[in-house]
Amino acid sequence: KAGVTQTPRYLIKTRGQQVTLSCSPISGHRSVSWYQQTPGQGLQFLFEYFSETQRNKGNFPGRFSGRQFSNSRSEMNVSTLELGDSALYLCASSLGGSGKYEQYFGPGTRLTVT
Amino acid sequence: AQKVTQAQTEISVVEKEDVTLDCVYETRDTTYYLFWYKQPPSGELVFLIRRNSFDEQNEISGRYSWNFQKSTSSFNFTITASQVVDSAVYFCALSETTTGANNLFFGTGTRLTVIP
Repeated sequence: KAGVTQTPRYLIKTRGQQVTLSCSPISGHRSVSWYQQTPGQGLQFLFEYFSETQRNKGNFPGRFSGRQFSNSRSEMNVSTLELGDSALYLCASSLGGSGKYEQYFGPGTRLTVT
Repeated sequence: AQKVTQAQTEISVVEKEDVTLDCVYETRDTTYYLFWYKQPPSGELVFLIRRNSFDEQNEISGRYSWNFQKSTSSFNFTITASQVVDSAVYFCALSETTTGANNLFFGTGTRLTVIP
């Protein structure tokens, strides 16, 4: 089975721009979660989608949004980029919800905001 | 509130030594799950183990073993006979079940360096 894939792997954007990151989960997985990893804040949960519905959202501003398509693929959008948004963005997929399934992570998208 | 603490920021060991990575958690849920993930230099988080709150049996997988003690809210990870390939950042994580969502709370990680 193919693992979680994320595109693009690297991205450089300018402050004020917007960006869209993509995630394709493992086949059969319906839950997709997004995390932000920075040296200062560590790994932080952004949001989770299950069957095209956002089930939970972390403590991030509204500039961070996402969606999930009927094939479980997910996109994450960040509008009006700030320097502090520079981070590794990780996507994870799992079979189901309720917090009991392990999440499998993709390689991440490293976003640099200049 | 939920919290995961990994007090050891960095550990260095010489190859073939045993090493234990500590993890202490806080949660109000009675049903929860604990995980360990490995993050090698490539950046991808690799799933190692999942343990639910009702199963306190220790687990061994090859050179890896995990000790879950509910009484002390700890879920420690031991690598026996460490190897250079074990060098990575290791994260302990907690997942609660009350929200019904998949939301992992991560510790700050322990960077393990195995010196040849």
